[in-house]
Amino acid sequence: ELKVEQNPLFLSMQEGKNYTIYCNYSTTSDRLYWYRQDPGKSLESLFVLLSNGAVKQEGRLMASLDTKARLSTLHITAAVHDLSATYFCAVLFYYNTDKLIFGTGTRLQVFP
Amino acid sequence: NAGVTQTPKFRVLKTGQSMTLLCAQDMNHEYMYWYRQDPGMGLRLIHYSVGEGTTAKGEVPDGYNVSRLKKQNFLLGLESAAPSQTSVYFCASSQPGQNYEQYFGPGTRLTVT
Repeated sequence: ELKVEQNPLFLSMQEGKNYTIYCNYSTTSDRLYWYRQDPGKSLESLFVLLSNGAVKQEGRLMASLDTKARLSTLHITAAVHDLSATYFCAVLFYYNTDKLIFGTGTRLQVFP
Repeated sequence: NAGVTQTPKFRVLKTGQSMTLLCAQDMNHEYMYWYRQDPGMGLRLIHYSVGEGTTAKGEVPDGYNVSRLKKQNFLLGLESAAPSQTSVYFCASSQPGQNYEQYFGPGTRLTVT
């Protein structure tokens, strides 16, 4: 069965702290995506990871992909309130159709 | 360049009514998708299309039909709405070879009473 699991599902963290969100998936893939969703809004693409060992950074967010461990991480450095949102990872399992399987999301709240 | 647009933004239906959601993209993408998002869950694929005139089932296709008569449009139909279809519906599109990245529309919030 194709599964994508994220943890934690909910994360409340103080401004200035660091934390990591984990995304595990059940079968081979080397295409993984991270999206951000604000309440009532659509999904915004954050990172596209296309190979083993890929690492991408944008501001306080850094994403990495380990295809051997079937694991991606989204690391938050020195969190600020503006990062409060729900973060989804999605994995491409069907290369001929671009179909994605989404994780359940991690709801992040950053407080002062 | 509007990207992916969806019509309508909100809709309330009574059980048994029918409706069609319209998705349009102006990026000349080959692939288009319909997802639903329920509270506390990720997106689940309903149907998708890999080109004009083609459609295929995703993870949760029951109770929905789709059509792709024009490359830029992907329609999602509910023939007889049920309360279990209350959800937020997102359309997305992608172009093969462009990192397989999907671009999402703003969503349609549907309530079935």
